[in-house]
Amino acid sequence: DVKVTQSSRYLVKRTGEKVFLECVQDMDHENMFWYRQDPGLGLRLIYFSYDVKMKEKGDIPEGYSVSREKKERFSLILESASTNQTSMYLCASSLRGQKDSRGSNQPQHFGDGTRLSIL
Amino acid sequence: AQSVTQLDSQVPVFEEAPVELRCNYSSSVSVYLFWYVQYPNQGLQLLLKYLSGSTLVESINGFEAEFNKSQTSFHLRKPSVHISDTAEYFCAVSHTGGFKTIFGAGTRLFVKA
Repeated sequence: DVKVTQSSRYLVKRTGEKVFLECVQDMDHENMFWYRQDPGLGLRLIYFSYDVKMKEKGDIPEGYSVSREKKERFSLILESASTNQTSMYLCASSLRGQKDSRGSNQPQHFGDGTRLSIL
Repeated sequence: AQSVTQLDSQVPVFEEAPVELRCNYSSSVSVYLFWYVQYPNQGLQLLLKYLSGSTLVESINGFEAEFNKSQTSFHLRKPSVHISDTAEYFCAVSHTGGFKTIFGAGTRLFVKA
């Protein structure tokens, strides 16, 4: 089975801090994603990466950046944490696939999430 | 632009009763459709998917969903629910040739004894 591991289940940080959320997958997936999950809003895509060192903005990238130096690891960075970034953060990975080379027909595999509180 | 609407935010139901969780999508191109389930304090897990072929797809734990292109719907059904089905369910859509998957806001299913 695919394993997507997020480094922390719970994290508490202070306003203005630089925050790193780490995600590692063990199945050689090309695509990796960062979402935030808020009640009533579902999952919203922050950033995604389809290859090492490649990244694309999602729907809500403001205040965030990402890093993908190795295929298995995708990091989310809050440059200067603010209280409105308090949320559940979910990392996911997927294969790119062959027939559909971008992987939209592939299911995503999720980590258990990091519940981040900014005080 | 794509969007996904889950018509019910919460669905309470008694154990052994049937349930339907509704999902409608909008897209101008061909789509792939997914249902994911999230149990408390966990990430999302794939429940079932429609890629092509038969419009009725099934999961291993008794859920099924039917792709209806004319209604742009992908409703999830189970004829008899268990307490253990209590979870949040997300409908999701992606389009052919894209990277992104769009998720609905989720439906919380509460199964009562």
